[in-house]
Amino acid sequence: AQSVTQPDIHITVSEGASLELRCNYSYGATPYLFWYVQSPGQGLQLLLKYFSGDTLVQGIKGFEAEFKRSQSSFNLRKPSVHWSDAAEYFCAVGKGGGGNKLTFGTGTQLKVEL
Amino acid sequence: DGGITQSPKYLFRKEGQNVTLSCEQNLNHDAMYWYRQDPGQGLRLIYYSQIVNDFQKGDIAEGYSVSREKKESFPLTVTSAQKNPTAFYLCASSPEGRVPGYTFGSGTRLTVV
Repeated sequence: AQSVTQPDIHITVSEGASLELRCNYSYGATPYLFWYVQSPGQGLQLLLKYFSGDTLVQGIKGFEAEFKRSQSSFNLRKPSVHWSDAAEYFCAVGKGGGGNKLTFGTGTQLKVEL
Repeated sequence: DGGITQSPKYLFRKEGQNVTLSCEQNLNHDAMYWYRQDPGQGLRLIYYSQIVNDFQKGDIAEGYSVSREKKESFPLTVTSAQKNPTAFYLCASSPEGRVPGYTFGSGTRLTVV
């Protein structure tokens, strides 16, 4: 069974500082990996996704993530955080074809200090 | 614009009552999903449907029921058998048979009073 671990429940960074959110997955084959962001009381918005090819993927809002098969990781990064990035971030893993169920991590709450 | 609409945004239910949450999409997506979100637990899959008139249980289906009579609609009923229904419910859809990628609705917050 596939699973996702986000080891950091809360992270606080200063505005302008760099950010890295950790995500580790467990999956038997090459996974499809996603990062979503959620503002309070809202649905989830897709930041970026990895299916194959280049292991460094670029997303919206200046985010990027790197797939490392040897470490079973898909960490999210941003060089300079803005106050508007404060939100909850979810990593997810899935497979293609029929039954595109995604398994989500428990989320990381990001707080940005001004 | 295409998207997913969940209604209502807030819902209050008395104990012992059934309540139905609406989810409608105009993205022409084949697959639809219901997730439950609780603080610190991420998203847990309740039910999903890949085609009309067919659906499968997810990880926490007990106390819930769904129907898929139209491609565009996937309503979720929270029954009186659900012991702890207070939560944030999210509906999502994806194109079937391709690389997965969800589009989410804005959610319904259900509170039992």
